[in-house]
Amino acid sequence: ETGVTQTPRHLVMGMTNKKSLKCEQHLGHNAMYWYKQSAKKPLELMFVYNFKEQTENNSVPSRFSPECPNSSHLFLHLHTLQPEDSALYLCASSQGQGATYNEQFFGPGTRLTVL
Amino acid sequence: RKEVEQDPGPFNVPEGATVAFNCTYSNSASQSFFWYRQDCRKEPKLLMSVYSSGNEDGRFTAQLNRASQYISLLIRDSKLSDSATYLCVVNKAGGGNKLTFGTGTQLKVEL
Repeated sequence: ETGVTQTPRHLVMGMTNKKSLKCEQHLGHNAMYWYKQSAKKPLELMFVYNFKEQTENNSVPSRFSPECPNSSHLFLHLHTLQPEDSALYLCASSQGQGATYNEQFFGPGTRLTVL
Repeated sequence: RKEVEQDPGPFNVPEGATVAFNCTYSNSASQSFFWYRQDCRKEPKLLMSVYSSGNEDGRFTAQLNRASQYISLLIRDSKLSDSATYLCVVNKAGGGNKLTFGTGTQLKVEL
C-alpha cells in the first residue's frame, strides 16, 4: 500500500547466523533509511542513504552492515547479533534529503528475534 | 532530557470526545515537525506536518510553539478508528531529513 516493501516480515536467527533484510521502494524516491524500533523505545535512525551514498551512520555497531546498490533497493546484512538486537526493523524512503518537509514512507517492517 | 518527549498514555476517551496530545523537543534548532500515526503492529504513517502558523486537516489540528519548544495535536469528534499511537517527530538540526521520534502517545477511543 505504501509503495515500500520489506522481506522477510519475520525472522528468527541464532547469534552465529548471517542473514539479510531487504527493502524495495516503488515510489521513485532518492533517499532510503533504516530504523530500529524496540519495545517501549522510540524509533531510532540507523542509516541514511541519499542517491545510493551513505550519508548517516548513527553509531550503529558493525554487526549491522547496510548496502544500497541503487536508489530503489536497500539491504541490512546481519551477523553475530545479540539478543538485545531483537526489534522491529523499519525501512523508509523519501523524495530526497534537501527539503525540510519531505515525508518519509515506511515499509511494514521485519520483526527480528535473536535467540 | 529526551530529544522528543511525549506522555505515553494511554488516553482512554469515549467516541465523540475531543482529545489533545502534547510534545516537547529539546533542540531549539529543530526545523520541521510532524505527527505520525502508528497502528498496532503496523508501520508509522504521516498524519500531518506541523507549521509555525498552526494547521488543520479535518478533525485534526496541529500547533507549534517555537518559543516553548512545544507541539500539540488536537483531535475533535474522535472515532473508534482513531485508536492508535501518535508519534511526535522532529527533524534533527543540521539539515537533511533525519527524523527524531518520540515514544508515542497511545489513544484508545471507546464506545
